[in-house]
Amino acid sequence: DTAVSQTPKYLVTQMGNDKSIKCEQNLGHDTMYWYKQDSKKFLKIMFSYNNKELIINETVPNRFSPKSPDKAHLNLHINSLELGDSAVYFCASSPTKRVSLGEQFFGPGTRLTVL
Amino acid sequence: QKEVEQDPGPLSVPEGAIVSLNCTYSNSAFQYFMWYRQYSRKGPELLMYTYSSGNKEDGRFTAQVDKSSKYISLFIRDSQPSDSATYLCAMFKAAGNKLTFGGGTRVLVKP
Repeated sequence: DTAVSQTPKYLVTQMGNDKSIKCEQNLGHDTMYWYKQDSKKFLKIMFSYNNKELIINETVPNRFSPKSPDKAHLNLHINSLELGDSAVYFCASSPTKRVSLGEQFFGPGTRLTVL
Repeated sequence: QKEVEQDPGPLSVPEGAIVSLNCTYSNSAFQYFMWYRQYSRKGPELLMYTYSSGNKEDGRFTAQVDKSSKYISLFIRDSQPSDSATYLCAMFKAAGNKLTFGGGTRVLVKP
């Protein structure tokens, strides 16, 4: 049973397009995250939601907009895609927003390529 | 300068050797430390979680924290080809709600 799932796994698109990535967790966790991992494997947090409320919003272009319809889902919409957006995007979830109280479980990643 | 520094490797070792990985950090507010393993085209998975300075052992893995030097290490004994992966250190501040990751070290264990 998949704990944290993401769709699509691969996404190839043209510059200027708008795209969405979906994430779902079936662990009953309260907190979900979006991370970006660049070509050098550097993993950086973008957003975090706790019970549908935004709690972390790092310095990310406002072309990126997360949406959490319920605590099991966290989607990422990206407008006007740019070449520099090419990366692997990971969704993660954890039991609480306090990192010390629980492990973060990561999804398999969505590899986004912008041409 | 990044808050957490990690040599990207690759680190290539023969099967059975000890793998030694480390991270340095600049912010003394980091109190909790983790090591994640990431296989190619997969998400990271937690290996070890430590708080205090000193050693923590779990099977073939030993995590070491030296807060005075702002330096953490992960050792893998009797390395296997299945240990070939990227190893990411991560850390966070007390009562914090986000992880700060190192850039990862790619490890290749050759049979």
